[in-house]
Amino acid sequence: DIQMTQSPSSLSASVGDRVTITCRASQSISSYLNWYQQKPGKAPKLLIYTASSLQSGVPSRFSGSGSGTDFTLTINKLQPEDLATYYCQQTYSTSWTFGQGTKVEIK
Amino acid sequence: QLQLQESGPGLVKPSETLSLTCTVSGDSINSNTYYWGWIRQPPGKGLEWIGNFHYGGTTYYNPSLKSRVTLSVDTSKKQFSLKLTSVTAADTAVYYCARGVSQGGSYQIDSWGQGTLVTVSS
Repeated sequence: DIQMTQSPSSLSASVGDRVTITCRASQSISSYLNWYQQKPGKAPKLLIYTASSLQSGVPSRFSGSGSGTDFTLTINKLQPEDLATYYCQQTYSTSWTFGQGTKVEIK
Repeated sequence: QLQLQESGPGLVKPSETLSLTCTVSGDSINSNTYYWGWIRQPPGKGLEWIGNFHYGGTTYYNPSLKSRVTLSVDTSKKQFSLKLTSVTAADTAVYYCARGVSQGGSYQIDSWGQGTLVTVSS
């Protein structure tokens, strides 16, 4: 299995801040990396696919970068509605795996 | 618009079989464009991929669950199902059905059901 490790596990930031979440794969996954947002009590929602492509309808303050083993999700100008847990996911192998999640709290 | 709806018992006894069904509306299961599958989330924990299938193609399972999981499909009812045998308390989770789509040359999950909580307890 390809292991996905996110950091940090949680963070607290103020509205308007720039937030960065990292995801590291245990082996190269090219750009087969997706990011999801899960708000409390809700199903996850796709934000970014193939490492850097913004899903339709997702605000442009969300962006992704990286390839190989190291990836980043950036939220520019954090908004109150961005309170959520964020997960990375690899689909490079036929056995898909998720990172453990990063909980974003608003100060 | 695609909608996915999970259904099944909310309580299962230890050692028994967990069975859930996902009803698809707004799209066709028998399209080779998509993957259909299941993800679960234990209370307060992260997401775990269970498995998925490509209609007319291969079914893939999480290696850690493979010996206990079976996915099946009934296209006439527009449903696909999950069976998980020999359950324990560790299988208590919210179970999501989902659709995987290919964009940019790779796959991602673009649609999720609302999720259903299954508790394993005697």
